[in-house]
Amino acid sequence: QQQVKQSPQSLIVQKGGISIINCAYENTAFDYFPWYQQFPGKGPALLIAIRPDVSEKKEGRFTISFNKSAKQFSLHIMDSQPGDSATYFCAATVSTGTASKLTFGTGTRLQVTL
Amino acid sequence: ETGVTQSPTHLIKTRGQQVTLRCSSQSGHNTVSWYQQALGQGPQFIFQYYREEENGRGNFPPRFSGLQFPNYSSELNVNALELDDSALYLCASSLQVSGETQYFGPGTRLLVL
Repeated sequence: QQQVKQSPQSLIVQKGGISIINCAYENTAFDYFPWYQQFPGKGPALLIAIRPDVSEKKEGRFTISFNKSAKQFSLHIMDSQPGDSATYFCAATVSTGTASKLTFGTGTRLQVTL
Repeated sequence: ETGVTQSPTHLIKTRGQQVTLRCSSQSGHNTVSWYQQALGQGPQFIFQYYREEENGRGNFPPRFSGLQFPNYSSELNVNALELDDSALYLCASSLQVSGETQYFGPGTRLLVL
């Protein structure tokens, strides 16, 4: 069962443009939603994360928007740069559980062109 | 770069063999989780170790097993390898068992022929 659905599968954005990646979840017990960035041959690196008690969180060029009622959240990358070209994964977890199991989306491959 | 290290970086095995992958957690982190990432997919949770005991398991068969040592390093063992076990195996460490932030290592790429 795919508990976190991610779209699009791939995305091409021009340099300076806005990249938007969307995720939807089913488990209402999820209370922590991180985004990970993964470059080829590397492990995922934490980019930014949000809890459902806020609707938006911004760190530099990266913003998470969260819609609790719709059970959706999205990553916006402003002023996208070629160095942002990577695969992005949304994830979710129950932070108060006995084990911090991350449930990941299927990933979005972002390519930023010049 | 996180402080999580994994070895080996790459490994080739044949079907039916056994494999051991190793992970050193970030300094001060007492919890280690293992994930399997098939090509083009998101990581899938295998299990987590805390205080040298398994503490939560995903939908993986018993031939996937692990260990955690007193220094919090960990091993992932897979017996009776199958072709579908070919994947990137990721280790992640965190400060506590229910800590949200997990720091991933670079992974071990396993190819089963």
